[in-house]
Amino acid sequence: QVQLQESGPGLVRPSQTLSLTCTVSGGSIRTASDYWSWIRQPAGEGLEWIGRIHSSGSTNHNPSLKSRVTISVDTSKNQISLKLSSVTAADTAVYYCASLRECGSTSCNNYMDVWGKGTTVTVSS
Amino acid sequence: DIQMTQSPSSLSASVGDRVTITCRASQSIGSYLNWYQLKPGNAPKLLIFAASILQRGVPSRFSGDGSGTGFTLTISSLQPEDFATYYCQQSHTTPLTFGGGTKVEV
Repeated sequence: QVQLQESGPGLVRPSQTLSLTCTVSGGSIRTASDYWSWIRQPAGEGLEWIGRIHSSGSTNHNPSLKSRVTISVDTSKNQISLKLSSVTAADTAVYYCASLRECGSTSCNNYMDVWGKGTTVTVSS
Repeated sequence: DIQMTQSPSSLSASVGDRVTITCRASQSIGSYLNWYQLKPGNAPKLLIFAASILQRGVPSRFSGDGSGTGFTLTISSLQPEDFATYYCQQSHTTPLTFGGGTKVEV
């Protein structure tokens, strides 16, 4: 089974770009999952889906984040990256990556079966 | 966006108790509903997908039910390792959305 580990700066200044990496081990990023997804959880709050990238490279993101989100894949490093621009204190959260699998049946759509432990990002000057 | 509403937001229970958590969707999502368990410092864990299918390796004391707009997660006999926060999530439509969470505590 694949394992995921998020990494990146723990502190980002307001208005700057948050950049995180998710390293996939135990499998190829091209074949180990259908999609790779980013989710975040602000302290004391619930989970928010940020977006996903298909193994083909196509992406979807949460419209609530407008056009601030960029998700990409580096197959040579077996990594998924997340960039979130123009950050504010509201972007302070634990950020998770997860593998998102499609079920391939009419009774099931998709689910996130493997998650990383998350990385905490604080936006502060 | 599809809104997911969980209840209760927290509950107190004891080892051995039967615990039921409810999740409601703002529109019909068929059986496209997943449940996750979160513990501080740990990777979130998928418990159930497609409303009622137990993820491999998850104890059988966990079960899920429902379709359309109403769903439940039941823990038949609460164990010490089950004290955690549980989230439902719809996979019907993007953006994928989660319920607000239910904290199960002593």
